[in-house]
Amino acid sequence: EAAVTQSPRNKVTVTGGNVTLSCRQTNSHNYMYWYRQDTGHGLRLIHYSYGAGNLQIGDVPDGYKATRTTQEDFFLLLELASPSQTSLYFCASSDGGNSDYTFGSGTRLLVI
Amino acid sequence: QQKVQQSPESLTVSEGAMASLNCTFSDGTSNNFRWYRQHSAKGLEVLVSIFSDGEKEEGRFTAHLNRANLHVSLHIREPQPSDSAVYLCAVPSSGSWQLIFGSGTQLTVMP
Repeated sequence: EAAVTQSPRNKVTVTGGNVTLSCRQTNSHNYMYWYRQDTGHGLRLIHYSYGAGNLQIGDVPDGYKATRTTQEDFFLLLELASPSQTSLYFCASSDGGNSDYTFGSGTRLLVI
Repeated sequence: QQKVQQSPESLTVSEGAMASLNCTFSDGTSNNFRWYRQHSAKGLEVLVSIFSDGEKEEGRFTAHLNRANLHVSLHIREPQPSDSAVYLCAVPSSGSWQLIFGSGTQLTVMP
């Protein structure tokens, strides 16, 4: 079954720490997305990509890097984590246009 | 820049009563609107996708889109306690097909 798998499910790091969130999709979708979800804000787009090696900036990119190494794999990097980045992070994939998004189960990140 | 607002923030209904959720947006020129459901900080599942004005039904879930009034709603017929979740509307970003999400409505269905 086509899916989006995120790892880890939960992560705790210290302020200034280095964190990598991973996402793999088996949907053969071109587009992949990273969102963060915070109370009162819904889902906000951090970065997205339309193929291996491509990266597009979303609405809240500050403090985040991303890399799309293959069609399947999209990584979100926090090189100097801050408490303001404590959030629930979702990865999603789609074929673009009006096609549906498939979401992963989320990664809960706590920066202390 | 597309703006999205959902109401109410929370809604409690009795099992079997109709539940109605609302979403307003600022730019109605695109045609890619969706309602998602999210159980307890888990992933999102799409309930209804609607691409033209009018009504779209998927089982017990019906979406109504009126782009002239900048409004899309979701009606849940005969809700059950298992429908208790956060419901998110997603609308197209201005000039793009990328989705912008509302902040959600927390629905609680009482047995």
